[in-house]
Amino acid sequence: EPEVTQTPSHQVTQMGQEVILRCVPISNHLYFYWYRQILGQKVEFLVSFYNNEISEKSEIFDDQFSVERPDGSNFTLKIRSTKLEDSAMYFCASSDRRLLANTGELFFGEGSRLTVL
Amino acid sequence: QQQVKQSPQSLIVQKGGISIINCAYENTAFDYFPWYQQFPGKGPALLIAIRPDVSEKKEGRFTISFNKSAKQFSLHIMDSQPGDSATYFCAATWITGTASKLTFGTGTRLQVTL
Repeated sequence: EPEVTQTPSHQVTQMGQEVILRCVPISNHLYFYWYRQILGQKVEFLVSFYNNEISEKSEIFDDQFSVERPDGSNFTLKIRSTKLEDSAMYFCASSDRRLLANTGELFFGEGSRLTVL
Repeated sequence: QQQVKQSPQSLIVQKGGISIINCAYENTAFDYFPWYQQFPGKGPALLIAIRPDVSEKKEGRFTISFNKSAKQFSLHIMDSQPGDSATYFCAATWITGTASKLTFGTGTRLQVTL
């Protein structure tokens, strides 16, 4: 069964360092998303991406964050200068127009845990 | 407002019982109302979804009841099983042109006891 894969599964970094989280969406999906979940809390929307452009972003997604689709398969989230409060689980998700039209479903990866020290 | 409010925060149900989780929304522009299930260490996975022009949807032991006028919807899990123990998130999705966004509720941690 197709799945969204994310790497790394866990990354520990020092405050102020840059971090890149990587995602491989399901191959025929064209809608991509990043969410984050601080331990035990709600899953928060960060950004949605379609046709090589950000289509929607939240207040959390400030200038420290950026997303990119560097090639035909990867979708990345970059945090330029990490803060302690960036420690969270980051989930990548993908979907296609048919799924969105029929159920609004997003497929989520298993997440990348970021720990900022 | 694109918030989705969810209750209760946690729920303990005996095996065979009915689990009920409630959600309320404010924005009438949402297109779908899905429920996601999340097990520890995993990403959320779609459980069941409903459109706002339908009042109820049932899939196996899982039923969504939707009250459009009250802007409320709920998940009922019949004959709850220990394997249902997970965190459940209600959500709301809007889709417009090339933009789409899914907003999650705050989550309900369900524990089904033997």
